[in-house]
Amino acid sequence: NAGVMQNPRHLVRRRGQEARLRCSPMKGHSHVYWYRQLPEEGLKFMVYLQKENIIDESGMPKERFSAEFPKEGPSILRIQQVVRGDSAAYFCASSRHSDVNTEAFFGQGTRLTVV
Amino acid sequence: RKEVEQDPGPFNVPEGATVAFNCTYSNSASQSFFWYRQDCRKEPKLLMSVYSSGNEDGRFTAQLNRASQYISLLIRDSKLSDSATYLCVVNFNDYKLSFGAGTTVTVRA
Repeated sequence: NAGVMQNPRHLVRRRGQEARLRCSPMKGHSHVYWYRQLPEEGLKFMVYLQKENIIDESGMPKERFSAEFPKEGPSILRIQQVVRGDSAAYFCASSRHSDVNTEAFFGQGTRLTVV
Repeated sequence: RKEVEQDPGPFNVPEGATVAFNCTYSNSASQSFFWYRQDCRKEPKLLMSVYSSGNEDGRFTAQLNRASQYISLLIRDSKLSDSATYLCVVNFNDYKLSFGAGTTVTVRA
């Protein structure tokens, strides 16, 4: 049973380009969460998705960021017109259920560097 | 005020020593508490859940003090492999996990 798979592991983009980060949840998991970790900071919640639905995107910046979890395929976090401040580690997690005591399993993350 | 606050450390301890550190949380309605471990530039991994009665897993002991709103982690007989950043994580009654910035522990030979 493969874990949460994220790709790419490392992504370099020039300012103004688009970044697409992919996350395939663990088998049997229908809940996906995206977190961002800036240097020397804790992980910050961005968005919570179930298949074809965005449940909570309260942690997403209002502009340039979007997320989807289609019926088929991985969840995608898309950042348009990247800026230097978007450089961070982006972690995806998945869980079988969404209740408070469910363990969320994290992927290895995508490290985005904007140059 | 941050939702979860931790002493960043670093805590530098010799092998075999005991090290302990706390974290505080701001939301008194918080329901679930966890310690995660994060190795350098890798993903967070669940170390242990923290229960009201306190719990132990091998050399690791976690305590929860709801009145003072803090959680502690104690590591006994430290091993070199315990060197990592320990993340205090709180669930505020829904699916969102709130992470502290982490406490760095370095165990030296």
